Amino acid sequence: EPEVTQTPSHQVTQMGQEVILRCVPISNHLYFYWYRQILGQKVEFLVSFYNNEISEKSEIFDDQFSVERPDGSNFTLKIRSTKLEDSAMYFCAGPPPSAETQYFGPGTRLLVL
Amino acid sequence: QKEVEQNSGPLSVPEGAIASLNCTYSDRGSQSFFWYRQYSGKSPELIMSIYSNGDKEDGRFTAQLNKASQYVSLLIRDSQPSDSATYLCAVSSLTDSWGKLQFGAGTQVVVTP
Repeated sequence: EPEVTQTPSHQVTQMGQEVILRCVPISNHLYFYWYRQILGQKVEFLVSFYNNEISEKSEIFDDQFSVERPDGSNFTLKIRSTKLEDSAMYFCAGPPPSAETQYFGPGTRLLVL
Repeated sequence: QKEVEQNSGPLSVPEGAIASLNCTYSDRGSQSFFWYRQYSGKSPELIMSIYSNGDKEDGRFTAQLNKASQYVSLLIRDSQPSDSATYLCAVSSLTDSWGKLQFGAGTQVVVTP
């Protein structure tokens, strides 16, 4: 079964620091997504990325966030200056959910102190 | 504001019984509907998708969709302790980028032996 992998699995950082979360999505798919889930809350959409461009972003995805596909395979989510409220699980996912083929990565648990 | 609503539970179900989960959504432009299972500390796992009114069965799972009532449900037959998890309802809309999902907060299911 194909997988979406994410690194690191856990990250602890100080408020104001930059973090980079990495995802290796299913190969040969152009669509992928970032979601986050604050502990005890719902899964929230952050951004969708198609063919190396952002196709939609949520209100959460402000100027502190950015996404890139630096080398054609890895896919990064960067938070430039972390805040306490950025503490959450961050999931990447792809391709679009259809016919039971959509996969979420295992997530990165980010803790901002 | 698009909303996806679920009862938070917990829904306690005896082993072997049927678990019935409900979800309502506010956006009449919603076109695709999904049920995910999420174990504690893990990522969401897609278990069912449904796109047209009526029932769709897959093994012990049956999804039901009523677009007129803006209602989607999931039945789990012959519930097993391994079914104990949080079940997330997710919806995608014609007005959003392809594949973007709006999630409900989830219903926690506890299957008791």
